[in-house]
Amino acid sequence: QSVLTQPPSVSGTPGQRVTISCSGTSSNIGSNTVNWYQQFPGAAPKLLIYSNNQRPSGVPDRFSGSQSGTSASLAISGLQSEDEADYYCAAWDDSVNWVFGGGTKLTVL
Amino acid sequence: DVQLLESGGGLVQPGGSLRLSCAASGFKFSNYAMSWVRQAPGKGLQWVSLISGSGGRTYDADSVKGRFTISRDNSKKTLYLQMNSLRVEDTAVYYCAKWKYSSGWSGDWVDYWGQGVLVTVSS
Repeated sequence: QSVLTQPPSVSGTPGQRVTISCSGTSSNIGSNTVNWYQQFPGAAPKLLIYSNNQRPSGVPDRFSGSQSGTSASLAISGLQSEDEADYYCAAWDDSVNWVFGGGTKLTVL
Repeated sequence: DVQLLESGGGLVQPGGSLRLSCAASGFKFSNYAMSWVRQAPGKGLQWVSLISGSGGRTYDADSVKGRFTISRDNSKKTLYLQMNSLRVEDTAVYYCAKWKYSSGWSGDWVDYWGQGVLVTVSS
């Protein structure tokens, strides 16, 4: 069981906006920033969002992140078929370790 | 370009040992923290170990504490993971990961990942 809680799956149609939630506690998301990673089947994860809401160069602005209290969210607008992947949130926990969410599988219908 | 190339994976019996290596290139290795992150078949990501850029600080997940040891040789630009007393539940793809900064602590993030190496623990 993962320390950070994500929905196992979300889905949307092309062009739609979807959000993926990530729930934690005061010792992780409540006091530290959140990073998001995207992973395609059989591939290594890739950095998508860092420091709650910053996009690395090359990541489309359709992807955005936010954080409030002990929760964080990843939003994907203008959904495209190539966005179909697994998404993970991660945060530092004050017990001196990194924690991940269980991952969310995004399906584009 | 940043490259991280893992090696050393394979099949090992429960209770056995294995050492993973990660050869880094394309960046000044000693300036950055490094980690091992694993993913069991069909499961999510799990952080395993972290080592600072200098190698002076290391941190391990509770699930591997006392069994796994992370280390680095900055002269060889190589990261290691010595895995002892392996258990069936350690079966996973192990990823080598580079952090953006030298600490790998709060406020940092993994900006590059290796392709991963499979470790299978089975009798």
